[in-house]
Amino acid sequence: GESVGLHLPTLSVQEGDNSIINCAYSNSASDYFIWYKQESGKGPQFIIDIRSNMDKRQGQRVTVLLNKTVKHLSLQIAATQPGDSAVYFCAENTRGNQFYFGTGTSLTVIP
Amino acid sequence: GAGVSQSPSNKVTEKGKDVELRCDPISGHTALYWYRQSLGQGLEFLIYFQGNSAPDKSGLPSDRFSAERTGGSVSTLTIQRTQQEDSAVYLCASRRGGVGNNSPLHFGNGTRLTVT
Repeated sequence: GESVGLHLPTLSVQEGDNSIINCAYSNSASDYFIWYKQESGKGPQFIIDIRSNMDKRQGQRVTVLLNKTVKHLSLQIAATQPGDSAVYFCAENTRGNQFYFGTGTSLTVIP
Repeated sequence: GAGVSQSPSNKVTEKGKDVELRCDPISGHTALYWYRQSLGQGLEFLIYFQGNSAPDKSGLPSDRFSAERTGGSVSTLTIQRTQQEDSAVYLCASRRGGVGNNSPLHFGNGTRLTVT
């Protein structure tokens, strides 16, 4: 699974700008990926998922891009709003039941 | 519909006491997971239940930790003789399940455990 170290990466963006959060995964056999948003005091909330047979998937204001060649996943948030401030986690799943989570990225939206 | 429900939301206990944490998964979800999250850290896998299969206990940190799932629904995570390092948020998640089923985990809001 992904490991990005003990510190929590941070990203600060101006309200209205687009945000890009990145995630590297380690298992080339992983075939299912998910992005979660976690606000303070709450559990992770599902945002969007993508299967390995796809390169891109769009939701409401969010887009996930998958680059299997370099084992990289990104989450793009359009027109970032203050309510988007949270910690974002990627998760990978490998044809089974185990999910591996990254440490997360803390997004702060500046009004 | 109702999401994953966990209780209590907060638990403060003295070192050496036993605690039980409860999880009610989403109705119809056959897979149930427990994770632990320490402050500012990622999610640490503890245990996984799938239907009537034997649980995957590979993530339990010590024999003081155990979990059961009764009737394929409600699950209880028990920590015996709690230690200060057990302080964390314990998250439960469920999913539709089945090997190879690409469905996401749905999380509860967790139980924040503080061992004094």
